[in-house]
Amino acid sequence: DTAVSQTPKYLVTQMGNDKSIKCEQNLGHDTMYWYKQDSKKFLKIMFSYNNKELIINETVPNRFSPKSPDKAHLNLHINSLELGDSAVYFCASSRQRGGTGELFFGEGSRLTVL
Amino acid sequence: SQKIEQNSEALNIQEGKTATLTCNYTNYSPAYLQWYRQDPGRGPVFLLLIRENEKEKRKERLKVTFDTTLKQSLFHITASQPADSATYLCALGGEAGNMLTFGGGTRLMVKP
Repeated sequence: DTAVSQTPKYLVTQMGNDKSIKCEQNLGHDTMYWYKQDSKKFLKIMFSYNNKELIINETVPNRFSPKSPDKAHLNLHINSLELGDSAVYFCASSRQRGGTGELFFGEGSRLTVL
Repeated sequence: SQKIEQNSEALNIQEGKTATLTCNYTNYSPAYLQWYRQDPGRGPVFLLLIRENEKEKRKERLKVTFDTTLKQSLFHITASQPADSATYLCALGGEAGNMLTFGGGTRLMVKP
C-alpha cells in the first residue's frame, strides 16, 4: 500500500487553464503539506494543514488554493496557470505538527504549463 | 538572508570509498537537521535526524555530524555502493512554525 499517494503523476496543460492535484495519506498522520520543487531541485514549502486546518501558508500566489476535506486528504487547485508554475509538486505528511517528525513524501506530480 | 548550501555539483566517487556530503547554513538556528535521499522521479525519503545537542548519529553505513558552531552538517556513506547513487537533501527544522526548510541537494554518483 502506498503511504502518500498523489494524482496525477504528470500534467501537461495550457497557460490560463485551471487544474487540480489530489493527495491522500493512509498513515493516520495529522499534518499534511504541499511542497514545490523547481528545476534547481529546491523544495519549497507552500502550505501545511493540521487536522484540516491551514497552519502554514507561505508566500504563494492566491491562484493556488489548498483544500482538506478530511485529515487524510489535501488537494491543490491552481487557477489561471502560468509558465512559471511548471514544477514538480510534492505532497507530504507527518505524524503531528511540531516535534522532529520525519516527512513522508508522495511520488510527485510534474506539472508542465505550455 | 537565510541560506542552506549544499554542493550543487555532482560528487563522483569510486565504489567502496567513503562519500562525504556537506550542508552549510547561515542565519538559521535549527533545533534539528534531517537528511533525505531522492531518486530521479521519486519523492524524498527520510534517512537520519540529528538534534542540536548531538554531535554525531549513525545508522548502518550512514553517519551524520552536526556542528552548530560551524553551522554545518556532514553526511557520510562508508563503503559506498552504486545503489547509493542519488540526490541527498539536508533539511533544517525547529524554527518558527517548525517547518522543514530544504537545501538544494547534492547528487552522488558511485562508480563501480
